[in-house]
Amino acid sequence: LAKTTQPISMDSYEGQEVNITCSHNNIATNDYITWYQQFPSQGPRFIIQGYKTKVTNEVASLFIPADRKSSTLSLPRVSLSDTAVYYCLVGFTGGGNKLTFGTGTQLKVEL
Amino acid sequence: DGGITQSPKYLFRKEGQNVTLSCEQNLNHDAMYWYRQDPGQGLRLIYYSQIVNDFQKGDIAEGYSVSREKKESFPLTVTSAQKNPTAFYLCASSIQSGNTGELFFGEGSRLTVL
Repeated sequence: LAKTTQPISMDSYEGQEVNITCSHNNIATNDYITWYQQFPSQGPRFIIQGYKTKVTNEVASLFIPADRKSSTLSLPRVSLSDTAVYYCLVGFTGGGNKLTFGTGTQLKVEL
Repeated sequence: DGGITQSPKYLFRKEGQNVTLSCEQNLNHDAMYWYRQDPGQGLRLIYYSQIVNDFQKGDIAEGYSVSREKKESFPLTVTSAQKNPTAFYLCASSIQSGNTGELFFGEGSRLTVL
């Protein structure tokens, strides 16, 4: 199973771009990389998912290098409401396999 | 609306009592999961189920039990054998096969042992 490593916390200011990197050295061939956002006392919610190269949606971008041993979630122009914990999850979600989360990154956005 | 419903949202239990947390989904998902979250910590997998009548232990299954008699339901019982059950419990589901899918989470159940 792919284990993930993320920074415990990050600080930013409103309007800045934030990049959170996740290391997953033993990622398997059929594993996808998914990022989730969690606010206190709520369930995590899906942000973005990718397999390789770059994926972009309306809220974030995900950069995955060719070796897939790491990935970077990019949040453009963060606001106070982006203060949350961000989790990187590596696995094959479609297979219903054992999916283990890492400790996550606490992002704090200030004025 | 489709989604995952967890109940109760808050639950208090006396030591030595078993309690059951409900998780129901109407997303027609095959796979369901239970996670535990302690204050300031990440999510730890308790049990997961890929299909009806089948489930597997996660990383911290001791003191917990589950059943999967219906596709829509995956209740979690916290038994008296669980030494430190006070935590936030999250249920999730995902599509089983054929695509990458994503995890859909409920709003959680907060259990406090008195």
